[in-house]
Amino acid sequence: DIQMTQSPSFLSASVGERVTLSCKASQNINKYLDWYQQKLGEAPKLLIYNTNNLHTGIPSRFSGSGSGTDYTLTISSLQPEDVATYFCLQRNSWPTFGAGTKLELK
Amino acid sequence: QVQLKESGPGLVQPSQTLSLTCTVAGFSLTSYNVHWVRQPPGKGLEWMGVIWNTGGTRYNSALKSRLSISKDTSKSQVFLKMNSLQTEDTATYYCARDPSLPGYNYGWFAYWGQGTLVTVSS
Repeated sequence: DIQMTQSPSFLSASVGERVTLSCKASQNINKYLDWYQQKLGEAPKLLIYNTNNLHTGIPSRFSGSGSGTDYTLTISSLQPEDVATYFCLQRNSWPTFGAGTKLELK
Repeated sequence: QVQLKESGPGLVQPSQTLSLTCTVAGFSLTSYNVHWVRQPPGKGLEWMGVIWNTGGTRYNSALKSRLSISKDTSKSQVFLKMNSLQTEDTATYYCARDPSLPGYNYGWFAYWGQGTLVTVSS
């Protein structure tokens, strides 16, 4: 099984700040990496697929990068509506999620 | 408009079998793959398994011995059955659709149901 390690587990940032979330795989996942946003009481929402492809309707302040085992989600300018938990998901083999990063406003 | 909706009992007794239904609209189950994902209260997400548009299935190895996914394409429904439930199976259960593109065994989850909370308790 491929293990996904997200960091940090918790992040507090200010409106307008650039935020970077990380996800590390236990082996090469060939860029089969997605990012999901989950707000309290809601289903997860796809943000980025295949490392750097922005899903339809997602604001351009979200971007993804990475290769091999290391991947990053960047929010270029944090907005109040971005408060949520963010999960990465690898699909190189049967899917496994990271444990999540909870993002709050400072 | 693509829609998925989970339904099932909110409460299941320990050692019993869970049966959930995912009813879909706006697409055909003969063309798209549907996955099940669960989330214990306050915790992370766990992929449970998939039924491919072909009817083939693949399960999380940790659940494989207890889990079965099937579908009725004429009714646009996907079914999850999991036996020997324990309290740690208490979770919100989601179904989700992937784009089912050639070359992808597992696609990204662009569409999700709202989820259904299942509590395992006597």
